[in-house]
Amino acid sequence: DAKTTQPTSMDCAEGRAANLPCNHSTISGNEYVYWYRQIHSQGPQYIIHGLKNNETNEMASLIITEDRKSSTLILPHATLRDTAVYYCIVRVVGSGGGADGLTFGKGTHLIIQP
Amino acid sequence: KAGVTQTPRYLIKTRGQQVTLSCSPISGHRSVSWYQQTPGQGLQFLFEYFSETQRNKGNFPGRFSGRQFSNSRSEMNVSTLELGDSALYLCASTRDSMNTEAFFGQGTRLTVV
Repeated sequence: DAKTTQPTSMDCAEGRAANLPCNHSTISGNEYVYWYRQIHSQGPQYIIHGLKNNETNEMASLIITEDRKSSTLILPHATLRDTAVYYCIVRVVGSGGGADGLTFGKGTHLIIQP
Repeated sequence: KAGVTQTPRYLIKTRGQQVTLSCSPISGHRSVSWYQQTPGQGLQFLFEYFSETQRNKGNFPGRFSGRQFSNSRSEMNVSTLELGDSALYLCASTRDSMNTEAFFGQGTRLTVV
């Protein structure tokens, strides 16, 4: 069963904030929320991750609901170069058993319109 | 610093042949993971190596294998190639095995004819 649910596609106007939702209602207490994106014909790129507090870095902000059942990735000022497939992934960190593979779903195809 | 380097970038092989793909992780990174990406199945985890040991493996047949060298460079091998093995093979490196952020290479595009 899929651990996360994301919309298949979204549009956003250039210069506006892009808000990408992700549902992870079965998330466990020790699972982090990770976001990656993949621009066409390139390898995936790490964006941000968090456990329960909101996180911000130079690329994006991650807002996690208090019950941790959903989150939103925010690209504050979207540019054409942000057009990509965005993947929301939940996974255990530091399980001690080696790095589990990232389980990529279908992701959200974000299209930035000029 | 240099990113993850995968070679070759493109490869064409015939059914039944075998192929070896190479991945050089970011300097100082000790964990290397491999993924297969196809239009139908998306991105799927193959296996992960840390300190020359395979730590985790995805749900792929034994024709898919890999190894890691003492300098953390990794190779993956696919024997008895099938048409369905045509895919983009991606390598990701992380600093350690604690599931920190993964850095992906550009991938090797394998076409089996």
